Amino acid sequence: AQTVTQSQPEMSVQEAETVTLSCTYDTSESDYYLFWYKQPPSRQMILVIRQEAYKQQNATENRFSVNFQKAAKSFSLKISDSQLGDAAMYFCAYRSLRAGNMLTFGGGTRLMVKP
Amino acid sequence: NAGVMQNPRHLVRRRGQEARLRCSPMKGHSHVYWYRQLPEEGLKFMVYLQKENIIDESGMPKERFSAEFPKEGPSILRIQQVVRGDSAAYFCASSPVLDEQFFGPGTRLTVL
Repeated sequence: AQTVTQSQPEMSVQEAETVTLSCTYDTSESDYYLFWYKQPPSRQMILVIRQEAYKQQNATENRFSVNFQKAAKSFSLKISDSQLGDAAMYFCAYRSLRAGNMLTFGGGTRLMVKP
Repeated sequence: NAGVMQNPRHLVRRRGQEARLRCSPMKGHSHVYWYRQLPEEGLKFMVYLQKENIIDESGMPKERFSAEFPKEGPSILRIQQVVRGDSAAYFCASSPVLDEQFFGPGTRLTVL
């Protein structure tokens, strides 16, 4: 079974600075998807960014980018020019291409943004 | 195109009562997933359904929990004889075929 680990329960960043959230996962599969979700206080799950394992190029979405290290099974999220609205819980998630379509989530990192 | 709808948003039950959580997927989506989020934890997969079929229920407790996705109407997650440990946020997601999942706003269940 796949597992996803987020080793940072809480992170703090100054507004306009850059922060990196860590995620590692364990799998024996070679093809899969990885995701970062944001969960603000409203509890709505919002997809931030996705990465296909077969793609070597790191995904980027505006101020959000990932550092995908397949051999190390590492998938970190970098948030540049942090804004107050970025404050939320961030969850890393894994999706197998074989075993159904369900997502396996990490335990989350609470990001605080200081003005 | 409305997003994934869940109702109720908040549900309070006393121990021993039944809880029924509803999920209406996005239009055109035939795949529904239920996840549970305990306080201060990540989401945990419970069950995956297609219309009239349970595809994978490996994450669902064997007793008291059931799910359905009928041909017509919303998907229902049913919890019988609720206990305090069932208090959690329950999220539904839907997808078209095997693709990106879109999440609903969740139902927060509180068991007194």
